[in-house]
Amino acid sequence: DAGVIQSPRHEVTEMGQEVTLRCKPISGHDYLFWYRQTMMRGLELLIYFNNNVPIDDSGMPEDRFSAKMPNASFSTLKIQPSEPRDSAVYFCASSLVTLQGASYNEQFFGPGTRLTVL
Amino acid sequence: AQSVTQLGSHVSVSEGALVLLRCNYSSSVPPYLFWYVQYPNQGLQLLLKYTSAATLVKGINGFEAEFKKSETSFHLTKPSAHMSDAAEYFCAVSDAGFQKLVFGTGTRLLVSP
Repeated sequence: DAGVIQSPRHEVTEMGQEVTLRCKPISGHDYLFWYRQTMMRGLELLIYFNNNVPIDDSGMPEDRFSAKMPNASFSTLKIQPSEPRDSAVYFCASSLVTLQGASYNEQFFGPGTRLTVL
Repeated sequence: AQSVTQLGSHVSVSEGALVLLRCNYSSSVPPYLFWYVQYPNQGLQLLLKYTSAATLVKGINGFEAEFKKSETSFHLTKPSAHMSDAAEYFCAVSDAGFQKLVFGTGTRLLVSP
């Protein structure tokens, strides 16, 4: 399996611009997570989906942030408008509840997108 | 609410020395516990996990961790550090049946020759 795929790997943009980060989870996984990592705040869960439905978006910092999962193989995290304080590494992760219903909650992480807002 | 506390944001060891990274958890129900490793400019990779089976869990790269309910701890150890172990290590906790993980603040392991 190719693992979780994220694009772009690096994004540099100017304040006020729209930014879209993309994620392709591992095929067959039914949970998808978006995290943000900064030196100051560490690793923060922004939102997660189950079977393409958002379950918990309490970590989304502001209305400028939105996430969608139109199908099982694709998700986006959008920031509009972007601000310098949004600069961070954004990770996508996916996981799977086994067929027997047992879940060990292991999440598989993508390589991340390093966002710099100037 | 669940939480994990990682003691020490930085740990320095010499190559060949014992590695001990500390993690204490708080959970109102039997937890699942995880250790992840992050190498520079990479995503997180699972080292090992505890899911209510054996209390001593062995992971990749020679790491292991022991679940101690009485101490609410899940410390990560490795008998002999290698230069390639230099990375950031995250402890995480979740409730059985819930997919959401709560991560600690991370411990950066530095290995000197």
